[in-house]
Amino acid sequence: EAQLVQSGAEVKKPGESLKISCKVSGYRFDDYWIGWVRQMPGKGLEWMGIIYPGDSDTKYSPSFQGQVTISADKSISTVYLQWTSLKASDTAIYYCARPVDGDWGQGTLVTVSS
Amino acid sequence: DIQMTQSPSTLSAPVGDRVTITCRASQSINKYLAWYQQKPGKAPKLLIYEASSLESGVPSRFSGSGFGTDFTLTITSLQPDDSATFYCQQYDLFSVPTFGQGTKVEIK
Repeated sequence: EAQLVQSGAEVKKPGESLKISCKVSGYRFDDYWIGWVRQMPGKGLEWMGIIYPGDSDTKYSPSFQGQVTISADKSISTVYLQWTSLKASDTAIYYCARPVDGDWGQGTLVTVSS
Repeated sequence: DIQMTQSPSTLSAPVGDRVTITCRASQSINKYLAWYQQKPGKAPKLLIYEASSLESGVPSRFSGSGFGTDFTLTITSLQPDDSATFYCQQYDLFSVPTFGQGTKVEIK
């Protein structure tokens, strides 16, 4: 059974950088697409992008292209979501998820406030 | 990217009612459509994959149908535990997956 375990909640100031993680187990990490979903307070679900860890092929939603970086470390079966300069509007819950198999992490709350 | 149009945005129905949620894709996605249920403060839960396959452990009152661009999720006998927001999601993987806007289901 697949398990996706995300890093803990973060509180940051505007302009700061951040990298959150999602460690997976229970399946061959290299062989399946995995990605990140944003849920802003009281709003719907948005796919930000996906990565194929086997060859690091990465696709971004147009809304998130250039705003974040998705990466993966095959040696530790972990996928990352990174910002270089956070904005208040990045405040949201971020989920890692497998788009085909329907497995989800528990979510990471990111709060950006001065 | 593929746009998913889901309707209605909210619905209210009594226990025991049959309810239907629809989802339309902006281009053909074959059978690559999933339905999720999300309750407040929780991660979404997969109900249906490949348009009509019931995920293990999901009650049989949930069913999905459709192919190409038009899809439906049906709950045959609405239960109090079904109060949640439901999302469709396409995953043809030639592009980034996308969700519909969500349908909030309330029990009368």
